[in-house]
Amino acid sequence: AQTVTQSQPEMSVQEAETVTLSCTYDTSESDYYLFWYKQPPSRQMILVIRQEAYKQQNATENRFSVNFQKAAKSFSLKISDSQLGDAAMYFCAYRTPYGNKLVFGAGTILRVKS
Amino acid sequence: DVKVTQSSRYLVKRTGEKVFLECVQDMDHENMFWYRQDPGLGLRLIYFSYDVKMKEKGDIPEGYSVSREKKERFSLILESASTNQTSMYLCASSLWDSTYEQYFGPGTRLTVT
Repeated sequence: AQTVTQSQPEMSVQEAETVTLSCTYDTSESDYYLFWYKQPPSRQMILVIRQEAYKQQNATENRFSVNFQKAAKSFSLKISDSQLGDAAMYFCAYRTPYGNKLVFGAGTILRVKS
Repeated sequence: DVKVTQSSRYLVKRTGEKVFLECVQDMDHENMFWYRQDPGLGLRLIYFSYDVKMKEKGDIPEGYSVSREKKERFSLILESASTNQTSMYLCASSLWDSTYEQYFGPGTRLTVT
């Protein structure tokens, strides 16, 4: 069964600085999808960024980018120029190409200091 | 904008009660999901549905059932609530091809006493 591990329960970053959240996963599949979701306090979970495993290029969405290392099964999220609004719980998730299910990690709480 | 709504933000029930959690989406999505969120465990899939009247078990279906009579509505049922079902419950929906993102509701925090 696929598993997703987020080894950092909590992280802190100073406003305007850069922070990287870690995620590793375990799968025997060669084709799959990876996601980072953000859950702000008392607000709905939203998609931050998505990566297709067959694409070598790392995905980027404005201040958010990923470092996808397929051989190492690593999928980290980098947030540049951190803002107070980035404070949230971040979840890494995995999806096989043939199913509808997402497998989530335990989450990382990101705190942003002003 | 896709909107996923859940019937309650907070719910308190007694042990043994039958509990209904309702989820409605307004974007004609084929897939709907129920997750349970617990600290340190992330989100775990309880059930999902890929069409009206169709359902599949997720990773932790024990103690739960679901109903999808209309495409836009997906209900989670706790037949006899127990204290270990105290949790945050999240509903989500997506297009049929779930390489598209899942859209989440605001969650229902259920406390069973």
